[in-house]
Amino acid sequence: SAVISQKPSRDICQRGTSLTIQCQVDSQVTMMFWYRQQPGQSLTLIATANQGSEATYESGFVIDKFPISRPNLTFSTLTVSNMSPEDSSIYLCSVATGTGGYNEQFFGPGTRLTVL
Amino acid sequence: SQQGEEDPQALSIQEGENATMNCSYKTSINNLQWYRQNSGRGLVHLILIRSNEREKHSGRLRVTLDTSKKSSSLLITASRAADTASYFCAITGANSKLTFGKGITLSVRP
Repeated sequence: SAVISQKPSRDICQRGTSLTIQCQVDSQVTMMFWYRQQPGQSLTLIATANQGSEATYESGFVIDKFPISRPNLTFSTLTVSNMSPEDSSIYLCSVATGTGGYNEQFFGPGTRLTVL
Repeated sequence: SQQGEEDPQALSIQEGENATMNCSYKTSINNLQWYRQNSGRGLVHLILIRSNEREKHSGRLRVTLDTSKKSSSLLITASRAADTASYFCAITGANSKLTFGKGITLSVRP
């Protein structure tokens, strides 16, 4: 398994501001992902964070709103830009051990964001 | 959509009883994973079952997979109050992406 940490664990932000969430893994991993979990809902994939290239976004998510960095194989950041109350969610990073879709995916503890 | 769908949506049992949760999906999969989430915190990985496997065990957990019926079940035996949580199934398809179901809320009464 992989040990994943996220910062901050929670934050309360004002409308129109931006927040950058950090994700650190204790080992090098090929695949890292960012998810959103809106209140009372399931998890939705925002994007795949690619090391050395632009992130791959899912339908409904765009780079201008959720810019992602992945400078190396153990670290990634997700920025939630120009926030509105609808962005209030838990944001989770995850990593897949290995490749090919046959391996486990582990999650960080999440960042609980409240936008006022 | 290849989204997994769990049922029931909510389950309440007495401590010591067994809890069975089901997950159905619509497309072919590479694997299926079950997760637990306590009170809106991070997800804890419970177990992964591959498409060519039919059953796996881990402690008090037993997972089955029936690819012909596109369904999986998670059995928690001898439940404890600490098992109270939300449980999610998630499928990995040909695109290697993880797609989650809506989750099941399990309450175990002491």
